[in-house]
Amino acid sequence: DVKVTQSSRYLVKRTGEKVFLECVQDMDHENMFWYRQDPGLGLRLIYFSYDVKMKEKGDIPEGYSVSREKKERFSLILESASTNQTSMYLCASRRLLLGTNQPQHFGDGTRLSIL
Amino acid sequence: KQEVTQIPAALSVPEGENLVLNCSFTDSAIYNLQWFRQDPGKGLTSLLLIQSSQREQTSGRLNASLDKSSGRSTLYIAASQPGDSATYLCAVRPSPGTYKYIFGTGTRLKVLA
Repeated sequence: DVKVTQSSRYLVKRTGEKVFLECVQDMDHENMFWYRQDPGLGLRLIYFSYDVKMKEKGDIPEGYSVSREKKERFSLILESASTNQTSMYLCASRRLLLGTNQPQHFGDGTRLSIL
Repeated sequence: KQEVTQIPAALSVPEGENLVLNCSFTDSAIYNLQWFRQDPGKGLTSLLLIQSSQREQTSGRLNASLDKSSGRSTLYIAASQPGDSATYLCAVRPSPGTYKYIFGTGTRLKVLA
């Protein structure tokens, strides 16, 4: 079974802090994703990485950056946390197998509160 | 612009009932559609993935259908159980050239014992 592990289930930080959210997958997947989930808005894509050191902006990248130095790890960075970044953050991974459809696999999420 | 809608937002049914959850999308040109389950405070669990060339997929008591021409997918749950209580989300991948998925906001299902 695919395992996607997010380093923290709950996190409380202060406005202006630099915040790191970590995600690790154990199945050698090429693609990795960071979403945030808010009531009434559903899941929105922040960034995705299609392979090591590769990244592309999603729909709401402002205020965030990412790092993918190793295949198994995808980090989301809040450069200067603000209260409107309080949310549930979900990481996902997916195998890239040309010519086939592969499902996304999600971690359990990090509920981040910015005070 | 592709939009994905799930109606109703919430549903309560008695145990044992067969039920259908709906997912609608505005652009019929999709690459695949995936159904997920989300338990409270948890991440998403993949249930079924339907490729654009398929009409349905089955896994145990779950059956997902896809009608691209009408912009609809349904998730059929047979003989529902209290353990099926969760939020069910669908997500559309518009084309093979994009890694993006567009998610609906989900249907919160409660199966009453």
